Amino acid sequence: GAGVSQSPSNKVTEKGKDVELRCDPISGHTALYWYRQSLGQGLEFLIYFQGNSAPDKSGLPSDRFSAERTGGSVSTLTIQRTQQEDSAVYLCASSRGLAGEYFGPGTRLTVT
Amino acid sequence: GIQVEQSPPDLILQEGANSTLRCNFSDSVNNLQWFHQNPWGQLINLFYIPSGTKQNGRLSATTVATERYSLLYISSSQTTDSGVYFCAVRSNFGNENLTFGTGTRLTIIP
Repeated sequence: GAGVSQSPSNKVTEKGKDVELRCDPISGHTALYWYRQSLGQGLEFLIYFQGNSAPDKSGLPSDRFSAERTGGSVSTLTIQRTQQEDSAVYLCASSRGLAGEYFGPGTRLTVT
Repeated sequence: GIQVEQSPPDLILQEGANSTLRCNFSDSVNNLQWFHQNPWGQLINLFYIPSGTKQNGRLSATTVATERYSLLYISSSQTTDSGVYFCAVRSNFGNENLTFGTGTRLTIIP
C-alpha cells in the first residue's frame, strides 16, 4: 500500500487478557519499528526488525511483550496478561536503509 | 543513550505569525527527522534532515550537525499547523531506533 497501516485502530480489553496488534509496513521497507506513546508523552521505542530478525528488543518493557515479523513484511506485537499501565497508542514505523521512518496511524489500546 | 531536548515546550501564536522550534541533541547522529503530530495523533513526516537545510512550502529546517542542533521554521502560520512537533534522532553510536524529544506544542489562534 501507499503507507504504513495498523489494525485495529482502537482496542479496549479487560485487564489480564492478551491482545495482538498488527502492522503492515510500506512495501519494500526492510526495517520495521514499534513504539508506544502514553497520553501526553513522547514516543518510547519498543523493538526493531531488520527483515524478519529482531536485533534490538531492548525497549520491550517486560516479558509480557513479544513481537514477530514474517515474510519480511507484516509484524504482530503481542501483549500478554495486559495491565492498565499498558494503555497507550502503539505506533509502527518502517524505513528503507538509513532514510526516514514513516509512521502508521497507530492502535489506541485501553486496558480496563 | 542520546538525549534530545526541544524548546519551547509550548508556543501560542496568532495566525500569520512566524515561529522557530529548536532541537538540541547530545551526540552525533546519522538521522534526524521532524514530525508533526496532528490532533488525531497521526505522525506526519516533515523533514529527513541529518544535516543541511531543506524547504517545503512554508516550512524549512536546518541542521547543524557539528553543533548538535536543528531548527524548524514555520512561516505565515495557519490554524492547521497546530499540534505537537517532534524532533527525533538516530545516534551514530547507539541503537537503530529513533530517540524522540518531548515535543513542542504549537497552538495557532485565528
